Amino acid sequence: DAKTTQPTSMDCAEGRAANLPCNHSTISGNEYVYWYRQIHSQGPQYIIHGLKNNETNEMASLIITEDRKSSTLILPHATLRDTAVYYCIVRSTGANSKLTFGKGITLSVRP
Amino acid sequence: GAGVSQSPSNKVTEKGKDVELRCDPISGHTALYWYRQRLGQGLEFLIYFQGNSAPDKSGLPSDRFSAERTGESVSTLTIQRTQQEDSAVYLCASSQVVGREAFFGQGTRLTVV
Repeated sequence: DAKTTQPTSMDCAEGRAANLPCNHSTISGNEYVYWYRQIHSQGPQYIIHGLKNNETNEMASLIITEDRKSSTLILPHATLRDTAVYYCIVRSTGANSKLTFGKGITLSVRP
Repeated sequence: GAGVSQSPSNKVTEKGKDVELRCDPISGHTALYWYRQRLGQGLEFLIYFQGNSAPDKSGLPSDRFSAERTGESVSTLTIQRTQQEDSAVYLCASSQVVGREAFFGQGTRLTVV
């Protein structure tokens, strides 16, 4: 699976949008972009995934560039409970497809 | 069930003892994954199951670690002759099929003293 690069950390103010970037310049055509987050002392939580079109669900929006080499996870109205480590993962849907977690980005939402 | 269930939630064991960690996946999920997360570290992949078979065991750190799955349901991760370096949170996840989004349990915190 392709490698991803994320900043180490970022912060945003409560109520504002949090835009979390991810680079995946070696992504191949059959690989999806997945986002998970891990709130302290909990198991990782699935957020969203996409192939090439932008996606939105009740948690977040995923914007994927046209060349698919980068993407942005958007939390439209961040709350203190969104403070977590966010993982951007590129993954094929082939038969041998595990999730490989990197270091992620630590998002701190400040009051 | 409503989510992935792991038991016990906490386990303290003496060095050299064997431990078994249990994972109950979401009903109907054919794929099941085990990960390990040491304190302050990222998630390390251990093994995954497709049905009852394990196509990828590449992450098991040594032959002291083994896992099995029966009835395309419950999975057990066994660590023999535990060492202090085995102390970690062991996380299980399941997905409807391999390659689809995976849902994680809350983990088993293993402490080897």
